[in-house]
Amino acid sequence: QSALTQPASVSGSPGQSITISCTGTSSDVGGYNYVSWYQQHPGKAPKLMIYDVSNRPSGVSNRFSGSKSGNTASLTISGLQAEDEADYYCSSYTSSSTSYVFGTGTKVTVL
Amino acid sequence: EVQLVESGGGLVKPGGSLRLSCAASGFTFSNAWMSWVRQAPGKGLEWVGRIKSKTDGGTTDYAAPVKGRFTISRDDSKNTLYLQMNSLKTEDTAVYYCTTDFVDSSGWSYHDAFDIWGQGTMVTVSS
Repeated sequence: QSALTQPASVSGSPGQSITISCTGTSSDVGGYNYVSWYQQHPGKAPKLMIYDVSNRPSGVSNRFSGSKSGNTASLTISGLQAEDEADYYCSSYTSSSTSYVFGTGTKVTVL
Repeated sequence: EVQLVESGGGLVKPGGSLRLSCAASGFTFSNAWMSWVRQAPGKGLEWVGRIKSKTDGGTTDYAAPVKGRFTISRDDSKNTLYLQMNSLKTEDTAVYYCTTDFVDSSGWSYHDAFDIWGQGTMVTVSS
């Protein structure tokens, strides 16, 4: 099972909005609404930011939003802040091996 | 406080074995579906495998690279998750995290999202 495809890096200035894409196939992203997104700061464990494509756990800022179209899911961070600088990973259930697959990861830089 | 604490990592030679443990506290461990996720140095996250709760069958699923070599088990009496790793390869070198499902405020479990994570334990496979 190949990793989902994400851009290696995305950057933006404070206050701007950025979007991270996550492209898979009809066996994973496109076939199920089981896409989640994780934020990981250096040396730390990942943190769940979005589940089931577009839902935020309580405590996660509403500046983070998720969506999906076809085989591509997206995470949008609005009102970019310095603390948003981190690595972001998408994940999806995949039917190809009854398992889960993560994205390649995107490094977000706040300019 | 909800917490997961991994232990058991270390240096092992190729072909060797290692058993990781993950101690859970602050939530009803027996109801949780538990997963292992690893991250090679400087690389991305990789799902390793999962064990369902006993009430949901207690079955396991594994990623292709570890299937047949790794075994996930649980001891609900000790609130502990295990990962038995055999026939280790250099490419198994990674930080290993245990993680559990997201449970919303109404108590509904989302088995496809990983919420609570441990701090990770490093496994190095090298001669």
